[in-house]
Amino acid sequence: GDSVTQMEGPVTLSEEAFLTINCTYTATGYPSLFWYVQYPGEGLQLLLKATKADDKGSNKGFEATYRKETTSFHLEKGSVQVSDSAVYFCALTPNGSGNTGKLIFGQGTTLQVKP
Amino acid sequence: GAVVSQHPSWVICKSGTSVKIECRSLDFQATTMFWYRQFPKQSLMLMATSNEGSKATYEQGVEKDKFLINHASLTLSTLTVTSAHPEDSSFYICSASSRGEQFFGPGTRLTVL
Repeated sequence: GDSVTQMEGPVTLSEEAFLTINCTYTATGYPSLFWYVQYPGEGLQLLLKATKADDKGSNKGFEATYRKETTSFHLEKGSVQVSDSAVYFCALTPNGSGNTGKLIFGQGTTLQVKP
Repeated sequence: GAVVSQHPSWVICKSGTSVKIECRSLDFQATTMFWYRQFPKQSLMLMATSNEGSKATYEQGVEKDKFLINHASLTLSTLTVTSAHPEDSSFYICSASSRGEQFFGPGTRLTVL
């Protein structure tokens, strides 16, 4: 079945460091891909998405490119801030159904940014 | 806008009792809501899809008689864990669909003693 694999955390970085969180997926057809962020005590929030191959999602300085050839959707940010400390989840919905349908999540990666 | 709330945020109960968790869409109507379960350091696992006015659709391996879902209105879905046991202790998260996007509640921590 469809699945998502994320790099294990926690990831600890100093402020202004470059961030990469790896995400790879297994799916049939053409899934839609998402990154969600969960700040302490809050619900998951959609960070960015991409619905077809080679699309780049971006938001708040974060970027991820849908790479069908490597089945990857790695999250990057050029310069992290303390306020970026959170748990990040990579997810997919099968066959491009948008995120109104069934979401399949990775295990989440905790990011801690130190001043 | 697009806020989803859950109540309670945490609950502790004795083994054998039932616990009800509410999920509300505060400023929009949601014909579809989802219930997820999250174990420590693991991903969210979809338990069931809740559709207003009809029976919920459960994922494989989820006991429908143990996890009762009621979606009685366009703003409220409830999950009742019946005869809870310690292995049901987990973090339960709901989400609601609106305008082509899915919005998540903050979750409910259930601890069964």
